[in-house]
Amino acid sequence: QSVLTQPPSVSATPGQKVTISCSGSSSNIGTYSVSWYHQLPGTAPKLLIYDDYKRPSGIPDRFSGSKSGTSATLDITGLQTGDEADYYCGTWDNSLRAYVFGAGTKVTVL
Amino acid sequence: EVQLLESGGGLGHPGGSLRLSCAASGFSFGSFDMSWFRQAPGKGLEWVSAISGSGVNTFFPESKKGRFSISRDNSKNMLYLHINSLTTEDTATYYCARDSPPESHPFFDIWGQGTLVTVSP
Repeated sequence: QSVLTQPPSVSATPGQKVTISCSGSSSNIGTYSVSWYHQLPGTAPKLLIYDDYKRPSGIPDRFSGSKSGTSATLDITGLQTGDEADYYCGTWDNSLRAYVFGAGTKVTVL
Repeated sequence: EVQLLESGGGLGHPGGSLRLSCAASGFSFGSFDMSWFRQAPGKGLEWVSAISGSGVNTFFPESKKGRFSISRDNSKNMLYLHINSLTTEDTATYYCARDSPPESHPFFDIWGQGTLVTVSP
């Protein structure tokens, strides 16, 4: 049972938008910034979003993050077949004294 | 190019031990905290351990205290993870990653390609 709750899967057709939610509590998302990672099949995780909404260099603005209270959201607009991957939210949890992840959301491009 | 490259994975046996290594290049290694993560086959990501840039401070989630140790050699730009008393539940791909700057909330911006550890009798 993950500390952060994500939907197991989301899907959409190319060009559409998907939204991935990440729900936590006051000991994690409510206090600390959220980061998002994607993991293409058979590869290492890659940082997509940090500090709730900032994008590292090279990440297109089709990817955007936001946070409100104890929940965070990742939006992917203009969906592409290359976006098919697992997406994880992560943050620090002050009660567990650990960095925690959601269980991951599989994005499928129909 | 900023890069992390893990090695040392392979077949381990229950009760045995393994040392994983992570070679860093392209950045000032000693200026960054570093972490290890793992991912069991078909499962999600799990934080295993972290170490401060100086190597003085180490961090583990409660579930990893005791069997896991982390260390680094800044003169060689190397990060290590020692796993003792292996169990089949340690079977996973292990990743090293670079931590965010100290003044930031935690995130991990550079990841290695991973090294697979399989624990089997």
